[in-house]
Amino acid sequence: AQTVTQSQPEMSVQEAETVTLSCTYDTSESDYYLFWYKQPPSRQMILVIRQEAYKQQNATENRFSVNFQKAAKSFSLKISDSQLGDAAMYFCAYRSLTGTASKLTFGTGTRLQVTL
Amino acid sequence: GAVVSQHPSRVICKSGTSVKIECRSLDFQATTMFWYRQFPKQSLMLMATSNEGSKATYEQGVEKDKFLINHASLTLSTLTVTSAHPEDSSFYICSVVPPAGMNTEAFFGQGTRLTVV
Repeated sequence: AQTVTQSQPEMSVQEAETVTLSCTYDTSESDYYLFWYKQPPSRQMILVIRQEAYKQQNATENRFSVNFQKAAKSFSLKISDSQLGDAAMYFCAYRSLTGTASKLTFGTGTRLQVTL
Repeated sequence: GAVVSQHPSRVICKSGTSVKIECRSLDFQATTMFWYRQFPKQSLMLMATSNEGSKATYEQGVEKDKFLINHASLTLSTLTVTSAHPEDSSFYICSVVPPAGMNTEAFFGQGTRLTVV
């Protein structure tokens, strides 16, 4: 079974600064997808960014980018020019391409605080 | 607009009663839906996979007789918490993945906060 680990329960960043959230995972599969989801106080899950394992190029979505290191099984999220609205819980998630392929395995989450 | 509608958003019930939570896929037909449970300040834990027209697949440790799942149509899955007890109080979230391809994102309902008193 796959596992996802987020070693930072809480992080804090000043507005306009950059912060990196860590995520590692364990799998024996070669093909899979990785995601970062944001859960604001409303608790609605929102997709931030996704990465296909077969792609070497790191995904980027505006201020959000990832550092995907497949050999190291690492998938960190970088948030640039942090905004107050970025404050939320961030979950790293893994999706297999086999079995119940669409289900997600989530990490334990990182609570991001954004300060003025 | 919302892709997945989950109802109710909040429910309080008495211990021993049953509660039904609905999850509707608004934009596409979904043969598979997922039910997650989230305790305060914790992550989402998959409870079961809801399969249209067949039995749900439950994760290890989840009581299928307690958490009844019905997926009678391609747009609706329901989770019924039977004989609810205070320890069942939690946040329940459903999720739907579009059938178009495996690289599409999962869409989530707004969640249901269940409080059993």
